[in-house]
This record gives sequence, C-alpha cells and structure tokens, in this order.
Amino acid sequence: EAGVAQSPRYKIIEKRQSVAFWCNPISGHATLYWYQQILGQGPKLLIQFQNNGVVDDSQLPKDRFSAERLKGVDSTLKIQPAKLEDSAVYLCASSSLKGATDTQYFGPGTRLTVL
Amino acid sequence: GENVEQHPSTLSVQEGDSAVIKCTYSDSASNYFPWYKQELGKGPQLIIDIRSNVGEKKDQRIAVTLNKTAKHFSLHITETQPEDSAVYFCAATDSWGKFQFGAGTQVVVTP
Repeated sequence: EAGVAQSPRYKIIEKRQSVAFWCNPISGHATLYWYQQILGQGPKLLIQFQNNGVVDDSQLPKDRFSAERLKGVDSTLKIQPAKLEDSAVYLCASSSLKGATDTQYFGPGTRLTVL
Repeated sequence: GENVEQHPSTLSVQEGDSAVIKCTYSDSASNYFPWYKQELGKGPQLIIDIRSNVGEKKDQRIAVTLNKTAKHFSLHITETQPEDSAVYFCAATDSWGKFQFGAGTQVVVTP
C-alpha cells in the first residue's frame, strides 16, 4: 500500500512570496490533515478535511493560509504572503475514518524556509 | 482544550538499556493515545497506540502503559538499539477528537 505522498520536499522562498504544497493521501482515506511542525516542537493541526469538506480549521491563519481538497482526494495548502515565522515542516496525514481516534498516517513533509 | 506534556526532552541511553518517556494530559475525555517515531527528514511513523479501555499494550520491544486516573501514559523501549535513535512524540485526542502532540523526546542510543 502506497503511503501519503507530498511535494515538494523542500522549498526556499523570500518573505512576502507565495508557496503551495501538494498532498496525495493513502487511497481510500476519507480524512486528510495538514500540520505545521516548527523545529523542536510537535506537529500542530492547521486544517482537517472529511472528504472535500472542512471539519476543523480553527488554527489555520486564514489571512494568509488557504487549503482545498476539491475532489475529496488530493489537497493543496497555500501560503500567501509568507512570513519568516512560517518556516517549518508542513506535514500531511490521512486516516480512513472520521475522527482522531483512528490511526493517522503521515507523509514525509515539506520543509519550508522563508528568508 | 487538551494539553500534553512530554518528558524528558532528550534521553541518552547505552545500547541494550531501556528507555522510558512519560506524557501527561489534561482532558479526562481523551481516549486515544498514539506514539510516533520521527527520524531525521521523515514524517512521524506510528509505533504503538493505546485506547482508554486498556492499561497496557506491548509489541516486541515496545510497550505503552496508561494510567487514566493520574492522566499519564508512558512509552517503554527495552534492549535499545542504535536504530531506535529518533525523536518520539506522544499524542492524545481532546474532547473534540483532535490530536494534541507532546513536544517530543530526542532519544540517542550510543553503542
């Protein structure tokens, strides 16, 4: 079974530029999560999708971050404009059932550096 | 909301010794407690999990214990090997079903 795929693996941009990350979850997984992991910290949930609907985006900085999962499969996370403090690893995870009591499988992440 | 504290932040052990990482949580409604291992440049990988109706679970050299009364759970790794070196994260679901992660423990196993 293929795991969660993410691209790109690394991205370096200057502040105020835009960036987008892509995630392809495990086949058949209805729930998709985007996390932000700052160096030395645990992952922090940004947004959770159930199929193509948003379940939780309470910690997503909506003035600059946006995410979509149009067909209930792939998802993109965008930052526009980026700030220095957005430097982090962005992790995508998926699970087969609704709710966090089901195992979440993580992708390798995208390491973003904002200069 | 849920608050998860994890200790220690770093742990250095000799190969063959045991390693123990402890986490506490605040939300008594939490009912699912996974542990993840994250190697450099990779995403977190689930290594073991426990649900609130179980007090202990073991998988080869890894075990997790849960004390619901005290609201803490621990990861035990026996007979550590160099490939166990990584960052380990505990997590707990809050009453909304959202994962809250600990800050992580850097485990270094020296030969």
